[in-house]
Amino acid sequence: AQSVTQPDIHITVSEGASLELRCNYSYGATPYLFWYVQSPGQGLQLLLKYFSGDTLVQGIKGFEAEFKRSQSSFNLRKPSVHWSDAAEYFCAVSNTGNQFYFGTGTSLTVIP
Amino acid sequence: EAGVAQSPRYKIIEKRQSVAFWCNPISGHATLYWYQQILGQGPKLLIQFQNNGVVDDSQLPKDRFSAERLKGVDSTLKIQPAKLEDSAVYLCASSPRDRGLVSLDTQYFGPGTRLTVL
Repeated sequence: AQSVTQPDIHITVSEGASLELRCNYSYGATPYLFWYVQSPGQGLQLLLKYFSGDTLVQGIKGFEAEFKRSQSSFNLRKPSVHWSDAAEYFCAVSNTGNQFYFGTGTSLTVIP
Repeated sequence: EAGVAQSPRYKIIEKRQSVAFWCNPISGHATLYWYQQILGQGPKLLIQFQNNGVVDDSQLPKDRFSAERLKGVDSTLKIQPAKLEDSAVYLCASSPRDRGLVSLDTQYFGPGTRLTVL
């Protein structure tokens, strides 16, 4: 069965600092991988996704993620965090069978 | 373009009562999803429709939950009777395709309905 693990429940970073959110997945074949962001009072929004090709994926709002098959990871990064990035971040995995699984999320706090 | 609409935004009921949630997807989107998001957890897929047919309802508690998508447009999710553990945010999402790599489509989420069962 597929699963997604986000080891960090909560992360605090200073504005302007770099950010890395971890995501590990369990799946036998190459999965489809996603990062979504959920801001307070708003619906989930797709940041980026990966399904093949270049393992470094660029997304919206200056985010990027790198697929590392050897580590079963798809970590999300941003070079310089803005206060507006404070939100809940979810990693998700899917496959050709149209099944979709979300991780438990990482809550990001940005301090001035 | 208009986003995914959901109503009501909030609902408080007592256990053993019934409740229904409504979702109107983005116009023209073939696939519609219902998720349950319990506080502190990620969304869990309950059911997926392509047009008006069910693709996956393996995680839907069918003894109390039901969903329909008549005419392949808007959808209703019902809980009858509700239990305390059903307290959660119910999210609806839609995506454009109904064939091919549906799993790769971006899902567009509504604001959700927050259900509290007392």
